[in-house]
Amino acid sequence: KAGVTQTPRYLIKTRGQQVTLSCSPISGHRSVSWYQQTPGQGLQFLFEYFSETQRNKGNFPGRFSGRQFSNSRSEMNVSTLELGDSALYLCASSWGQGYGSPLHFGNGTRLTVT
Amino acid sequence: AQKVTQAQTEISVVEKEDVTLDCVYETRDTTYYLFWYKQPPSGELVFLIRRNSFDEQNEISGRYSWNFQKSTSSFNFTITASQVVDSAVYFCALSEDKGGSEKLVFGKGTKLTVNP
Repeated sequence: KAGVTQTPRYLIKTRGQQVTLSCSPISGHRSVSWYQQTPGQGLQFLFEYFSETQRNKGNFPGRFSGRQFSNSRSEMNVSTLELGDSALYLCASSWGQGYGSPLHFGNGTRLTVT
Repeated sequence: AQKVTQAQTEISVVEKEDVTLDCVYETRDTTYYLFWYKQPPSGELVFLIRRNSFDEQNEISGRYSWNFQKSTSSFNFTITASQVVDSAVYFCALSEDKGGSEKLVFGKGTKLTVNP
C-alpha cells in the first residue's frame, strides 16, 4: 500500500513569490493535515481537511491556504513568500475518524525561500 | 492550553544501553490521546504508539516500552538495548477532543544518537 506522497521534495523560491505544495494521501484516507516544521518553532499545525471541508486551522497568516479535492488529494499554497517560511512542510493523512486518529506522514517538502 | 514538553533536547548513548525519553504534557481536558512519533533522517514522521487518557496500562512492544502516569502528566518512552537504527528524533504529541479535529500538539522533540 502506497504511503503519503508529497511533491515536490525540494523547492527553492524567492521572497515575494508564491508556491503550491501537493499531497496524495494513503488510498482510502479522507482526512489530510498539514504541519510546518522549523528548527526554532518545531512542528506547528497549519490546517486539516476532511471530505473537502476545512475542519481546523492553526495560527498562521492568511498567506497560508489549502484545499482538498474530491479524491482526498490536498494542496497548500503560500503567497508572498517570506524568508521565515523556509521550512519542512509535512502532510499527514488518516481515515478521518476524528481526534485520536493516528496520522500517517509523508516525507515532506523542504521549502527554501531566498 | 495544551502543551507538550520534552526537556531532553539531545541524548547520546552507546549501543545496547537502555534509554528513556521524557514527555510531560498539560491539558485541561479529561479526555485526550497521547502519541509518540519517530522522525528518521528521511523526514517522515513514523507513528509508534497511541494511548488514551483512560488507559494507564504500560505497554511493551519488543524493545520499546511506554510508561503513562496521569498523576504526573507524563508519558515516557524507553528503548531497551538500543541499536544504531534507533537514531532519530522522537516526538511526543497530544490530541484533545476539539470538535473532532485530529490536530496534534507536538513537543520540540528529542534527538537520540546511538553510537556503535
